Amino acid sequence: AQSVTQLDSQVPVFEEAPVELRCNYSSSVSVYLFWYVQYPNQGLQLLLKYLSGSTLVKGINGFEAEFNKSQTSFHLRKPSVHISDTAEYFCAVSTWPMDSSYKLIFGSGTRLLVRP
Amino acid sequence: AAGVIQSPRHLIKEKRETATLKCYPIPRHDTVYWYQQGPGQDPQFLISFYEKMQSDKGSIPDRFSAQQFSDYHSELNMSSLELGDSALYFCASSGTFSGQGEETQYFGPGTRLLVL
Repeated sequence: AQSVTQLDSQVPVFEEAPVELRCNYSSSVSVYLFWYVQYPNQGLQLLLKYLSGSTLVKGINGFEAEFNKSQTSFHLRKPSVHISDTAEYFCAVSTWPMDSSYKLIFGSGTRLLVRP
Repeated sequence: AAGVIQSPRHLIKEKRETATLKCYPIPRHDTVYWYQQGPGQDPQFLISFYEKMQSDKGSIPDRFSAQQFSDYHSELNMSSLELGDSALYFCASSGTFSGQGEETQYFGPGTRLLVL
């Protein structure tokens, strides 16, 4: 069965500093990978996704992620964070067509705390 | 752009009562997913529907049932509510007409259920 591990439960960082949120997955089949952001008391917003092709994917709000098949990782990065980036970030995997739907398996989340 | 609509946004119930959560997908999306997010936890997949048929089932209790109607909206019915059912319930939709693929899910704001 597939699983997602987010190694850091919380990442504190100063404003305008770079940040990397780590995500590793476990699957014996090809996967689709996603990063979602959840602001307090809100739903999940898609940041970016990897389906195939170029391993470096760019998303909204200046975020990007790199798919590394050999290390089974999909780390999220941003070169300069803002206070408004403070939120919970979830990495997720989908393994269709091995499953009968594109259901998402989520990691436990990483809280990004940006300090002034 | 139209987003996923969920109602109600907040719901308070007593133990052993029933609750019905509604989800209205993005127009022309044919797939609906339901997830449950407990306090401080990652979202867990419950059930999904494609073209009004159940397509996949996750860790959904037997006390819960769901369906997708002819207009593609979906309802999650929860009976004999327990304290442990208190959570944020997300609906997500996807579709091949969205400009993205069927694999990309768009989440609603969630329904926060509190069972007393």
